[in-house]
Amino acid sequence: EPEVTQTPSHQVTQMGQEVILRCVPISNHLYFYWYRQILGQKVEFLVSFYNNEISEKSEIFDDQFSVERPDGSNFTLKIRSTKLEDSAMYFCASTRTGGSPEQYFGPGTRLTVT
Amino acid sequence: AQSVAQPEDQVNVAEGNPLTVKCTYSVSGNPYLFWYVQYPNRGLQFLLKYITGDNLVKGSYGFEAEFNKSQTSFHLKKPSALVSDSALYFCAVRGRDNYGQNFVFGPGTRLSVLP
Repeated sequence: EPEVTQTPSHQVTQMGQEVILRCVPISNHLYFYWYRQILGQKVEFLVSFYNNEISEKSEIFDDQFSVERPDGSNFTLKIRSTKLEDSAMYFCASTRTGGSPEQYFGPGTRLTVT
Repeated sequence: AQSVAQPEDQVNVAEGNPLTVKCTYSVSGNPYLFWYVQYPNRGLQFLLKYITGDNLVKGSYGFEAEFNKSQTSFHLKKPSALVSDSALYFCAVRGRDNYGQNFVFGPGTRLSVLP
């Protein structure tokens, strides 16, 4: 069964550094999402992406964040100048169409900012 | 705006007893509803979903959930709990009327099944 994959599984970075989290959505999916979960807390929506542009973003998704689909398979989340409070689990998700009920989640990338 | 409430931070149940994890939601129009489970240091694992049809939905690992439109609830249930069911459970809602809409998750309920 096709699945969403994410790399790396764990990223450790120093405060102020830039990180890029990578996701490979399911191949025929068109809508892509990033969510964040601070340890043991709620899963929060960050951004959705369709047709090479952001379709919706939350208030968390400020100028520090950007997303890109650099090629036909990868979907990336870039965090510039990381802060301690960016430490969280980041989940990628995808759906085949906007009307599809279910989003398929990747296993997550744990980001630790020291 | 969509929202999900899980009124209990923690649910404790003895092994072999039935369990219920509560979820209520608010969404304009008709909802898609989901339950996910998260084990320590792991990702979100899909349990079950309500899309349409029968209000009682059966999912993985013996879990089921009942959609109650009048009470806007989608409680997760299992007839006989196992110690291995101990985990963090998230209810999520997605409006079906807005194209491409994101999920809204509840705050999570930690289930502890005691031997």
